[in-house]
Amino acid sequence: EVQLVESGGGLVQPGRSLRLSCAASGFTFDDYAMHWVRQAPGKGLEWVSGISWNSGSIGYADSVKGRFTISRDNAKNSLYLQMNSLRAEDTALYYCAKDMKGGYSNPRFDPWGQGTLVTVSS
Amino acid sequence: EIVLTQSPGTLSLSPGERATLSCRASQSVSSSYLAWYQQKPGQAPRLLIYGASSRATGIPDRFSGSGSGTDFTLTISRLEPEDFAVYYCQQYGSSRNTFGQGTKLEIK
Repeated sequence: EVQLVESGGGLVQPGRSLRLSCAASGFTFDDYAMHWVRQAPGKGLEWVSGISWNSGSIGYADSVKGRFTISRDNAKNSLYLQMNSLRAEDTALYYCAKDMKGGYSNPRFDPWGQGTLVTVSS
Repeated sequence: EIVLTQSPGTLSLSPGERATLSCRASQSVSSSYLAWYQQKPGQAPRLLIYGASSRATGIPDRFSGSGSGTDFTLTISRLEPEDFAVYYCQQYGSSRNTFGQGTKLEIK
């Protein structure tokens, strides 16, 4: 069974940093692209970032470009999101999601983890 | 960026009825790269449909997707109690994938 378990969320002040992690199991991690998708409280879904199976291709939403960095460690079956210069509007539940293929473009998200909550507030 | 508009915002139906949810794109979605997700309260989204009409693994056949170009539809042929949730469409045919704002399917 595919499992994705996010961690690293919490309360952080504006301008500070946070690093999210996603531990994957139940599938061959280095065969698939991975993504972060977020959901602000009571709101819809927003793709944040994606990374191809070998880290060769990476993409970001305009709203986080230059502040967030996605990475992966295939030896550890883990995905990461380094979030710097956090803003109040980054407050959301951050989901880790597996793609259905190795490239990160044209992504379909299946399945999703349960999410980790990031709250940016002073 | 392709904007997806879902309608209606809320749909009130009874178990056993047929549900029809709409997703309209601001420009044509290439290769019918359109997916549907279901999200229940307190849970992560679940992929239902991809490629506009292909069911994901384990999805019951009462869920079906159709459409092309700018107009797409998710149909639930006969509603079960567990189908009441929020449904999102997503286009993944452009350089930036985007989601619709969601349709809440509630029990009448």
